[in-house]
Amino acid sequence: AQSVTQLGSHVSVSEGALVLLRCNYSSSVPPYLFWYVQYPNQGLQLLLKYTSAATLVKGINGFEAEFKKSETSFHLTKPSAHMSDAAEYFCAVSDSYTGNQFYFGTGTSLTVIP
Amino acid sequence: KAGVTQTPRYLIKTRGQQVTLSCSPISGHRSVSWYQQTPGQGLQFLFEYFSETQRNKGNFPGRFSGRQFSNSRSEMNVSTLELGDSALYLCASSTAWTSGRTYNEQFFGPGTRLTVL
Repeated sequence: AQSVTQLGSHVSVSEGALVLLRCNYSSSVPPYLFWYVQYPNQGLQLLLKYTSAATLVKGINGFEAEFKKSETSFHLTKPSAHMSDAAEYFCAVSDSYTGNQFYFGTGTSLTVIP
Repeated sequence: KAGVTQTPRYLIKTRGQQVTLSCSPISGHRSVSWYQQTPGQGLQFLFEYFSETQRNKGNFPGRFSGRQFSNSRSEMNVSTLELGDSALYLCASSTAWTSGRTYNEQFFGPGTRLTVL
């Protein structure tokens, strides 16, 4: 069975500072991993995905994540936070057997301080 | 291409009533999945439909049901509403997926906010 743990339900960073949102996964088979962002009163927007190609994945809005199998991690980073990055971020896992059934983490709310 | 649309965007119901939510996937997408999002439980998978058949089902009571039409549009129904059913219900569509095949990206709609009083 798959599961995702997001460490830190709330993260605050200063504008221009590094953003680091943590995600650890559990999967008995090679996983597909995703980061989604959700703005207030909106659905989920895909930031980036890992589907067994390059371990360093670049996404939209300057975000990237690195798949580390030895650490079962897929942390999301952005070198310099912008005010518009304030949102809820979700990590999710699926695999080639469960396909469209995603398992989501509990989310991390990112606050950017001016 | 138009995105995933969900109607209505907001609903207020009282306990014991039933409700039907609608989801129109992206044109050409045949898979529709439903998720419930609450502050306490986060995002939880309800079920997935593909070609009018339910393929996967999450751990929800039988009061939650769904269906998919031949044009891939999907509805979900919740009967005998409870206060705990208050949530944002998200629909996601994808082109297709076959066991063992590579991943196909899912696209999410804006959700329907259901409030049960």
